[in-house]
Amino acid sequence: GQQLNQSPQSMFIQEGEDVSMNCTSSSIFNTWLWYKQDPGEGPVLLIALYKAGELTSNGRLTAQFGITRKDSFLNISASIPSDVGIYFCAGNNYGQNFVFGPGTRLSVLP
Amino acid sequence: GAGVSQSPRYKVAKRGQDVALRCDPISGHVSLFWYQQALGQGPEFLTYFQNEAQLDKSGLPSDRFFAERPEGSVSTLKIQRTQQEDSAVYLCASSPFGSTDYGYTFGSGTRLTVV
Repeated sequence: GQQLNQSPQSMFIQEGEDVSMNCTSSSIFNTWLWYKQDPGEGPVLLIALYKAGELTSNGRLTAQFGITRKDSFLNISASIPSDVGIYFCAGNNYGQNFVFGPGTRLSVLP
Repeated sequence: GAGVSQSPRYKVAKRGQDVALRCDPISGHVSLFWYQQALGQGPEFLTYFQNEAQLDKSGLPSDRFFAERPEGSVSTLKIQRTQQEDSAVYLCASSPFGSTDYGYTFGSGTRLTVV
């Protein structure tokens, strides 16, 4: 079946730094989603991408739908302590359920 | 309520016991999804409802797993004769769209531990 890889698996950064993470797929997708999950909670939708090449921002977060349709990228600018959590990408093809990646765990050092 | 509500938040079951997990989606949401999240992993799809119709149950791991949404609102995921490998967080999500193609809102999940 379809599989997603996320890189890096985990990262420690200093508060104020910019963060970049990516998600790659073995096959093409029509939609990419980025979610954030805090401990003991369900994932929260951050950004949805519906077109190849699309660049969408949500506050300090910016995500891009890769032109090959096999990857997506998430950037966080000027990280703050509440950015700590696990970031999941998810992709689907029309009419199919979303497949989630294994997550990138972000820790912010004060 | 304003969000997706799941109950119970935590469930401990003895191996072999049957369990029922409840999901109250956002009012009026057409689509409802169940996902299973093992420790340290991303959510994995179990099943999808559009109103009361179960359109996709391809992710249910065995015939011990059964889900229903009889009136197109509340949904119940039932696991019969629980096994240790069933231990996971079970996430419910809903969407106002009658389609799987848009992002959806998750509940906080039910953490099931089988001992």
